[in-house]
Amino acid sequence: DQQVKQNSPSLSVQEGRISILNCDYTNSMFDYFLWYKKYPAEGPTFLISISSIKDKNEDGRFTVFLNKSAKHLSLHIVPSQPGDSAVYFCAASGNSGGSNYKLTFGKGTLLTVNP
Amino acid sequence: DTEVTQTPKHLVMGMTNKKSLKCEQHMGHRAMYWYKQKAKKPPELMFVYSYEKLSINESVPSRFSPECPNSSLLNLHLHALQPEDSALYLCASSQERGLAGGYSTDTQYFGPGTRLTVL
Repeated sequence: DQQVKQNSPSLSVQEGRISILNCDYTNSMFDYFLWYKKYPAEGPTFLISISSIKDKNEDGRFTVFLNKSAKHLSLHIVPSQPGDSAVYFCAASGNSGGSNYKLTFGKGTLLTVNP
Repeated sequence: DTEVTQTPKHLVMGMTNKKSLKCEQHMGHRAMYWYKQKAKKPPELMFVYSYEKLSINESVPSRFSPECPNSSLLNLHLHALQPEDSALYLCASSQERGLAGGYSTDTQYFGPGTRLTVL
């Protein structure tokens, strides 16, 4: 059972425009959400996170929105740049009883930003 | 500084070899992780160490043996691997978040990975 879902395997946008990557989750015990960016053959790079007590977090060109009632989060990148082309993973953590160090990842969305 | 370092960057080994992967962080994080990642898949958790004690073993075969010599170092000892074990092996570290009844992970910072090929 996939608890974190990224339903779009790929997304293509034009340089300078907004990129919107979506993520849905099913586990109501998740209370901390993260976005990672990954280039091939490299480790994931942390981009931005949001706690469930907030509905928005912004860091430069990156903004994450959380809609708890819909169990949905999104990452907005504006303006998009060719260097943003990578796979983006959504991840979630929370306490499902006892100590839980697990990050649950989505399957990733490949973003391509065209010059 | 949010750097996690891993050595070696690439490793090729035969099925009878014994090798080790190394990971180091100096962020004062007390939780460290090993993940395995196959192409076009998300990272797959293998082991978690919390305060230098093994906290989670995700039913990983015994040919993978983790070790946490101190709070900054994490090793993964490899022996008698199979070709299907070829993958990118990632180390990560994090602080803990205190929650009611236990702990959860804070942001995990990943190393660059070791690309392992088993022949």
